[in-house]
Amino acid sequence: DAGITQSPRHKVTETGTPVTLRCHQTENHRYMYWYRQDPGHGLRLIHYSYGVKDTDKGEVSDGYSVSRSKTEDFLLTLESATSSQTSVYFCAITRTSADYNEQFFGPGTRLTVL
Amino acid sequence: DQQVKQNSPSLSVQEGRISILNCDYTNSMFDYFLWYKKYPAEGPTFLISISSIKDKNEDGRFTVFLNKSAKHLSLHIVPSQPGDSAVYFCAASANNNDMRFGAGTRLTVKP
Repeated sequence: DAGITQSPRHKVTETGTPVTLRCHQTENHRYMYWYRQDPGHGLRLIHYSYGVKDTDKGEVSDGYSVSRSKTEDFLLTLESATSSQTSVYFCAITRTSADYNEQFFGPGTRLTVL
Repeated sequence: DQQVKQNSPSLSVQEGRISILNCDYTNSMFDYFLWYKKYPAEGPTFLISISSIKDKNEDGRFTVFLNKSAKHLSLHIVPSQPGDSAVYFCAASANNNDMRFGAGTRLTVKP
């Protein structure tokens, strides 16, 4: 358990509405990530953050924005949701061990865009 | 552009037997490889990893093998248990912030 919570856990919304997903961590990790999981694609990185106010794009960033005003919170925003953004969204942190940096994931948010 | 591929969407094995999950990659810059296990309605959990300087890493019943020349890695589970039934994702990275995942293999271990 890496102390990661995500909210909401489930959300149904309509096309064109804004949506914000929240990731909260309790262990003061510097790096945080947002992924989406879709059948046939595995997990794909949307955005990541390497510190407060420091973010960068991932593999599938179009249509998404992020913000990190506090170490513990990383927000993912869909400015105008589309049906193609129906997915399961996972937040992750990097925990450094002696040899490797390993990513640990939150429980996920299932988002449905009608 | 899928740089990490798991060509078997599903695998079924008998309890007590060996499970072998395979993964291929195309990017020769990848230097760190991981396996994650995922149960329904939960986030992926880290299972085992291997650096490109090694060809084998073992942790209890789980062993990961890396063949750099073939750009192939595999996860062996011996002996397989019903609780191992889950979706397994292979992942690879060339740096810590751009990890690429395969599409996953659903393992079913039958009692």
